[in-house]
Amino acid sequence: DQQVKQNSPSLSVQEGRISILNCDYTNSMFDYFLWYKKYPAEGPTFLISISSIKDKNEDGRFTVFLNKSAKHLSLHIVPSQPGDSAVYFCAASDRIQGAQKLVFGQGTRLTINP
Amino acid sequence: AAGVIQSPRHLIKEKRETATLKCYPIPRHDTVYWYQQGPGQDPQFLISFYEKMQSDKGSIPDRFSAQQFSDYHSELNMSSLELGDSALYFCASSRDNSYEQYFGPGTRLTVT
Repeated sequence: DQQVKQNSPSLSVQEGRISILNCDYTNSMFDYFLWYKKYPAEGPTFLISISSIKDKNEDGRFTVFLNKSAKHLSLHIVPSQPGDSAVYFCAASDRIQGAQKLVFGQGTRLTINP
Repeated sequence: AAGVIQSPRHLIKEKRETATLKCYPIPRHDTVYWYQQGPGQDPQFLISFYEKMQSDKGSIPDRFSAQQFSDYHSELNMSSLELGDSALYFCASSRDNSYEQYFGPGTRLTVT
C-alpha cells in the first residue's frame, strides 16, 4: 500500500509561472515531511521540509504547505525556472524508536517550458 | 561541501553472484540509510544504522546484509543475486538522527 501518494506523474509549467506539486499521505503518525528534487543519474537532493506542527515553511522560491486534517501537502515554486525541471519526490518521516526512515511518493516529473 | 560518496557507481553482476556496495557519509554524519529504487518506482527503505548499530530495517531480503564501520562508512552486501535485484541503490546520511537525509549519487546494479 502506498502511504505517500503523488497522483500527478508529470506537470508542465511555463517559465516564470507558479509550479504546484501535490502530495497526499495516509499515515497520521508521520511527523515530518520533506521534498526532494532528482535529476537523472543523480541522487535525490533535499529541497525543503516541514514539521507536522507547522502549516507553512518558506525558503526562497520554494514554499511547502501542510494541511494535516486533509493529510495533504504541496510544494509551490515561484517563479519557475528551466533549471527546476526534474523529478520531485515527496517524502514522509516514519520515526520508530528513535530512528527514522523516509517513505517516498512515486514522484512528479516537472517540466518548465521557456 | 562534501557529499555522500557511493562506490562503485555502476556494477554488472551475473545471477547468483555476490555484490558489495560502499557508502561514505558526509563528515560528522553518524546515521546511514540504504534505499533501493527499481525502474519507474520510488525509493524503498532497506536498512539504517545509527552510531554503528542497526537502527531500523525495512524490506531488505535475507540475502542482503549491511553494517556500519568505526569510521561510519557502510557496506551493503548482496548475495545470490537475482534479476529482480537490478536497481539503483542509494545511500543517505544524516547527523544525530535528524530528519533531513542527504543522498549519494547511487549505485546502479545490473544483474544479468
